Amino acid sequence: GNSVTQMEGPVTLSEEAFLTINCTYTATGYPSLFWYVQYPGEGLQLLLKATKADDKGSNKGFEATYRKETTSFHLEKGSVQVSDSAVYFCALIPNTGGFKTIFGAGTRLFVKA
Amino acid sequence: DAGVTQSPTHLIKTRGQHVTLRCSPISGHKSVSWYQQVLGQGPQFIFQYYEKEERGRGNFPDRFSARQFPNYSSELNVNALLLGDSALYLCASSLGSPLSSGNTIYFGEGSWLTVV
Repeated sequence: GNSVTQMEGPVTLSEEAFLTINCTYTATGYPSLFWYVQYPGEGLQLLLKATKADDKGSNKGFEATYRKETTSFHLEKGSVQVSDSAVYFCALIPNTGGFKTIFGAGTRLFVKA
Repeated sequence: DAGVTQSPTHLIKTRGQHVTLRCSPISGHKSVSWYQQVLGQGPQFIFQYYEKEERGRGNFPDRFSARQFPNYSSELNVNALLLGDSALYLCASSLGSPLSSGNTIYFGEGSWLTVV
């Protein structure tokens, strides 16, 4: 079946550090891949997406590249800020269509000043 | 433009009671999905509706039901509430058809349900 696995948190970084949150997936064919961010007490916000192999999604300094060969979609940011502290969810929608999004368990990020 | 709006934002119910949660999709979006997010976990798919018809259902008991109205808004109903139903209930809307791939869904802020 379809599934998403992301690295366990929490991840604690100092401001301006480099961020990587690993995400791998299991799915048939070419699913669409997403990163969502959830700030404390809020709903989910779409951060970036990629819909085909080798696509790079990017937004607000974050980026992730759709790697079919390694079934991965790792999230990276070159220099994190305190305001990036949140929970990050990797997710996929199978290529069979529909809107059933399958989420990973989430990775909590703490950024210290 | 308004995003996905949900109501109420917070509510407390007693075990055995019934709850109705409401969602208005982004203008022009015809698809609505519901997710349950238990504290510390990722969202779990409950239902998907498109053009007022149920198009998908997750692994939830029959106590959970939903419907979509002609204006594409939606309600999620949960009967005979259990303590384990305490969660953030998220509604999401999307522009495209379930038959197409590459769709993006947009989430509302959610309704926090506490069952005591």
